Amino acid sequence: GAGVSQSPSNKVTEKGKDVELRCDPISGHTALYWYRQSLGQGLEFLIYFQGNSAPDKSGLPSDRFSAERTGGSVSTLTIQRTQQEDSAVYLCASSPDTGNTLYGYTFGSGTRLTVV
Amino acid sequence: AQSVTQLDSQVPVFEEAPVELRCNYSSSVSVYLFWYVQYPNQGLQLLLKYLSGSTLVESINGFEAEFNKSQTSFHLRKPSVHISDTAEYFCAVSYSSASKIIFGSGTRLSIRP
Repeated sequence: GAGVSQSPSNKVTEKGKDVELRCDPISGHTALYWYRQSLGQGLEFLIYFQGNSAPDKSGLPSDRFSAERTGGSVSTLTIQRTQQEDSAVYLCASSPDTGNTLYGYTFGSGTRLTVV
Repeated sequence: AQSVTQLDSQVPVFEEAPVELRCNYSSSVSVYLFWYVQYPNQGLQLLLKYLSGSTLVESINGFEAEFNKSQTSFHLRKPSVHISDTAEYFCAVSYSSASKIIFGSGTRLSIRP
C-alpha cells in the first residue's frame, strides 16, 4: 500500500480482555517495528521483525504481549488480559532495511488503546 | 546502555523567534541520528537525518541539525518559527550496527503569536 496502515484506530476494552492490533506495512518493506507511546512518554520499543522472524523482542513488557508476522507482510500485536497500564498509542513502522536503520522508518497513525 | 536524552519536555517560543531543541545521545563509534515530528493528531514523520558526511543537515521547512561528535549532540534549530511548527519533536538514534531506532522522550514546541 501507499503507507503503513493500522487498525483499529481506536480501541476501548475492559480490563482483563484480550486485544489484537493490526499493522499492514508498506509493500516490499522487510522490516517492521512496534512501539508504544504513553502519555508524556517517548516511544518505547516493543519488537522488531525482519521478514517473519523477530530477532529482537526485548521490549515486550510482559508475557501478556506477543506479536507475529505472516507472509512477510501483516503483523498482529496481541495483548492478553489487558491492564489499565497498557493504555497507550501503539505505533507500527516499516522500513525497507535488511537489518540496518539507514532509511529511518515510515510510521502508521497508530492504535489508541484505552483499557477501562 | 544506548540512550537518547531530550533535555526539555516543553519549549514555548514566540512566532518568528529562533528555537533550539536539544538532544544528546550516549556515545558510540558510529551512529545514525534522526529528528521526527508529530503534528497534532497526526502520526510521526521523519524531519531530517544524519548518516555520514556533512555534519549539518537540513529539512525542507527550514529546520537544521548539527551532528557534534565530541559533545554527542544533535540539536535541532530554526532561525524563525511559524505557528505551523507547533508539534512534538522526537530525537532518535540508531547505532549503525543495530536493528532498531531508539527515541527520546520528545519536546513539545508551542508557538505563541
